[in-house]
Amino acid sequence: EDQVTQSPEALRLQEGESSSLNCSYTVSGLRGLFWYRQDPGKGPEFLFTLYSAGEEKEKERLKATLTKKESFLHITAPKPEDSATYLCAVHSYSGGGADGLTFGKGTHLIIQP
Amino acid sequence: DTEVTQTPKHLVMGMTNKKSLKCEQHMGHRAMYWYKQKAKKPPELMFVYSYEKLSINESVPSRFSPECPNSSLLNLHLHALQPEDSALYLCASSPTGNEQFFGPGTRLTVL
Repeated sequence: EDQVTQSPEALRLQEGESSSLNCSYTVSGLRGLFWYRQDPGKGPEFLFTLYSAGEEKEKERLKATLTKKESFLHITAPKPEDSATYLCAVHSYSGGGADGLTFGKGTHLIIQP
Repeated sequence: DTEVTQTPKHLVMGMTNKKSLKCEQHMGHRAMYWYKQKAKKPPELMFVYSYEKLSINESVPSRFSPECPNSSLLNLHLHALQPEDSALYLCASSPTGNEQFFGPGTRLTVL
């Protein structure tokens, strides 16, 4: 069974204070690891897909990296508008086809001005 | 058109009502999904449609009935729901069956 663990559960930073969110995963065969941003009461917004260890993706102040056991979402010089819940999800080969994602519980990020 | 749309945004229904949630995408994606999300919890998979055929049903109670009339449209029919079914219902679509793109959700309240 696929498992995804995110840490910390909550993180409060000052504006401009860089940090990293962690996503540890256990899957039988990784088809993809995904990062999403979710604002309260809204659907998850797609950020990145990572497929293999060593891969990195960047978008504005966010950078996602992947190893064989975990992924990090680095946030550089965050702004208050970066406040949200960040979800990590995996898709594995165990499902055999189009099937669902396994999500972590998320990291609730608050950026204070 | 690069988004998944869901209607209605909010729905309040009684336990004896019948209602439907609607999801549309015009990106030519081959797979569509229904997820349920309770407050402060991650999304949980309910159903998967691949090429308009139901491929996964995650042991969801029969009071939830999915329908895929065509490749762009996905419905979720609701009947005799319980208060514990109150949640955010999310639709997603995928071009490859891998990365998924979510709609804004329907906030359902069952009285």
